[in-house]
Amino acid sequence: DIQLTQSPSFLSASVGDRVTITCRASQGISSYLAWYQQKPGKAPKLLIYAASTLQSGVPSRFSGSGSGTEFTLTISSLQPEDFASYFCQQLSAYPTFGQGTKVEIK
Amino acid sequence: QVQLVESGGGLVNPGGSLRLSCATSGFTFSDYYMNWIRQAPGKGLELISYINSSATTIFYADSVKGRFTISRDNAKNLLYLQMNSLRAEDTAVYYCAKDRHPYYYDSVGFDYWGQGTLVTVSA
Repeated sequence: DIQLTQSPSFLSASVGDRVTITCRASQGISSYLAWYQQKPGKAPKLLIYAASTLQSGVPSRFSGSGSGTEFTLTISSLQPEDFASYFCQQLSAYPTFGQGTKVEIK
Repeated sequence: QVQLVESGGGLVNPGGSLRLSCATSGFTFSDYYMNWIRQAPGKGLELISYINSSATTIFYADSVKGRFTISRDNAKNLLYLQMNSLRAEDTAVYYCAKDRHPYYYDSVGFDYWGQGTLVTVSA
């Protein structure tokens, strides 16, 4: 299986901050990477697919970049509704998820 | 609008069985790969199985292989997960999710998810 490692696992930030989360794959996955947001008690929500394509309806403050083994999710100006957990997912082989990054209010 | 609604979860003894269902609407079900993902309490996400549009390609995670069976009814727009020989470590919220792209494109992510159904395996 392809392993995904997210960093950091926990992030404390303030409203308006620029936030970056990294996802590293154990082998090259081209651009077969997606990002999800999950709030407590809710299902995950697709934010980004194909590494950098914004899912319809997702605010433009979210962006994704990278290819191969290193990827980033950036929130340009953190909003109150963005405090949540974020997961990356690779779909190059049998899909696997990163362990998650929890973004909390500073 | 697209909707996915899981049902069938509950409390079951170790070694027992459950059948989860995922009722779908708002899209052409027969055109899409479908997925079951679970999340143990306080843990991350695990794709446990997926099935292609015609049910000719099926994959399982090693953690459930030989115990769980995924199936679909394209006439009724339903996805199923038969879970046998349940263990305590199968305790989780189980989600069904739809591939973003239809079967003739590569999978790039899961764009619609159900609300989840809780399975608790305990004596």
